[in-house]
Amino acid sequence: GDQVEQSPSALSLHEGTGSALRCNFTTTMRAVQWFQQNSRGSLINLFYLASGTKENGRLKSTFNSKESYSTLHIRDAQLEDSGTYFCAAEADTGYQNFYFGKGTSLTVIP
Amino acid sequence: EAAVTQSPRNKVAVTGGKVTLSCNQTNNHNNMYWYRQDTGHGLRLIHYSYGAGSTEKGDIPDGYKASRPSQENFSLILELATPSQTSVYFCASGDAGGGVQDTQYFGPGTRLLVL
Repeated sequence: GDQVEQSPSALSLHEGTGSALRCNFTTTMRAVQWFQQNSRGSLINLFYLASGTKENGRLKSTFNSKESYSTLHIRDAQLEDSGTYFCAAEADTGYQNFYFGKGTSLTVIP
Repeated sequence: EAAVTQSPRNKVAVTGGKVTLSCNQTNNHNNMYWYRQDTGHGLRLIHYSYGAGSTEKGDIPDGYKASRPSQENFSLILELATPSQTSVYFCASGDAGGGVQDTQYFGPGTRLLVL
């Protein structure tokens, strides 16, 4: 089964509003990374977290290993935020055991 | 910031043909990775490498080979391309430790169409 369940699969936001993306994990993860894939298809690193919360501009991410989830909050959405967002998590056992979510397609509407 | 480049950026191949996707990184990272991205599957790991001369199988290695002739270069090889290998391929590099822990830096991607 899938180790990372990402939701929602698609999201539309009006400019200036915000929302949260979420990844739930079915096994213990020791770190999570969030990426944005922009309209040109390039992947951009947003955050890496081993625990707690990080914030960068209008984005904030939280990782709770004990409760097996991570969130990415977007506030004051802008048109350039449109794209697909992926979380990737590393399992707490073994080596090179990391798993990607299937992505959230975000469309920011003027 | 790490620089990861891929070539070609776009490729059309015929079924049964050989395809080589190249990746170059200039920041002396030990680890390099090849992923493919498909709708409904997200990113899936094909092969990875710990350093020059090393190649390891990822989650979906069937139909692919990899080559790491140097620290900077990591190639993905499709000996007999099939239409099911039509996808977008991403190369990434990272620091020691491997996995998400090393904060991977991604190339711009290669779009491959196999007819």
